[in-house]
Amino acid sequence: QVQLVESGGGVVQPGGSLRLSCAASGFTFSSYGMHWVRQAPGKGLEWVAFIRYDGSNKYYADSVKGRFTISRDNSKNTLYLQMNSLRAEDTAVYYCAKEGSGREVDYWGQGTLVTVSS
Amino acid sequence: QPVLTQPPSSSASPGESARLTCTLPSDINVGSYNIYWYQQKPGSPPRYLLYYYSDSDKGQGSGVPSRFSGSKDASANTGILLISGLQSEDEADYYCMIWPSNAHVVFGGGTKLTVL
Repeated sequence: QVQLVESGGGVVQPGGSLRLSCAASGFTFSSYGMHWVRQAPGKGLEWVAFIRYDGSNKYYADSVKGRFTISRDNSKNTLYLQMNSLRAEDTAVYYCAKEGSGREVDYWGQGTLVTVSS
Repeated sequence: QPVLTQPPSSSASPGESARLTCTLPSDINVGSYNIYWYQQKPGSPPRYLLYYYSDSDKGQGSGVPSRFSGSKDASANTGILLISGLQSEDEADYYCMIWPSNAHVVFGGGTKLTVL
């Protein structure tokens, strides 16, 4: 079955950096686009970034463009999110999620918490 | 960036139906997009429920009961999630989503459904 396991979250100071990873299994990782979606405490879902199956195109929410970089290593079945110049408003649970065949976001990981605080 | 408007809360009794709405801005025609719906319970990631484009183009997520269904109200530019035969386990937050282009995914603000 599809499994997505995020790691790399933690507490970081404003202006700092963090790299999240998402280990994928149970499907052909190299055939599907992947998303990062975040959820601030007590708030709704906010889409962060998307990368096509082959890494050829990447898209970002305006709120993170220029600070975050999505990437993937299909040989390792792993998705990444490099987060730089972190702000307090980036505090959230970050979910890795898989694109379905109909462009739905069909599977989600359990999430990893990122806290930006001094 | 379009904004999808969902009522913050809704409630219904067990066995009744719940109709959750997702209104698109006036410059985006609901008839042109798939509307995706997600369910999220406290402490858990979202779960994909279904998508609806039209009566002939719709899909159910894996293992999602048929009492969850989608529709649209074109006159109100709104996507609808209908949950029939409400059960206590349906109490959750529900989010709609559209993907108007390859550039940006947009989620609604979510509706907290209470089963009385």
